[in-house]
Amino acid sequence: KQEVTQIPAALSVPEGENLVLNCSFTDSAIYNLQWFRQDPGKGLTSLLLIQSSQREQTSGRLNASLDKSSGRSTLYIAASQPGDSATYLCAVTGNQFYFGTGTSLTVIP
Amino acid sequence: GAVVSQHPSWVICKSGTSVKIECRSLDFQATTMFWYRQFPKQSLMLMATSNEGSKATYEQGVEKDKFLINHASLTLSTLTVTSAHPEDSSFYICSARAGQSVGYEQYFGPGTRLTVT
Repeated sequence: KQEVTQIPAALSVPEGENLVLNCSFTDSAIYNLQWFRQDPGKGLTSLLLIQSSQREQTSGRLNASLDKSSGRSTLYIAASQPGDSATYLCAVTGNQFYFGTGTSLTVIP
Repeated sequence: GAVVSQHPSWVICKSGTSVKIECRSLDFQATTMFWYRQFPKQSLMLMATSNEGSKATYEQGVEKDKFLINHASLTLSTLTVTSAHPEDSSFYICSARAGQSVGYEQYFGPGTRLTVT
């Protein structure tokens, strides 16, 4: 069964820092990998989707990479802002959709 | 992108009553819909998968008689929590996909907060 792990579970950084969130998965037979943001008590906002044939995707200050062979993805956030504070979830699509354990990010003004 | 709505966004009900949550795909036809639940500070756990016109497939440990799922049309799925108890209090999120193949992107609803008193 696919297992998706995110490290760290929680992260606190001062405003302006660049940061990296990690996601690892055990089965490399995936169709795609997606990063989501979830604010407290809210639903999911899709940030980036990387198809299995792609290596990275970029949107604004966000860059996500995918190394399928090693079972890893990273989400890079440049020049972090307090508004980036949220929980970030990665999810992989294999024979079904598998969510990671999440990273709770706090950006301190 | 595609939009999925849920109604209600939050609901409070008394123990022993039933509550229905709706999930709608607003601008596409959803062949497959999914229901997830999320406990505080935890990730989403898949409860069931439903294909339009078919019975839902429940994940191990999810009581199908307690969590009734109906996917009667290509734009609507409902989750009914029957005889709700306080331990059913959770955040319920649905998602929808335009095709049965896993290659189709899933679009998520905003979630429904259920509190059972």
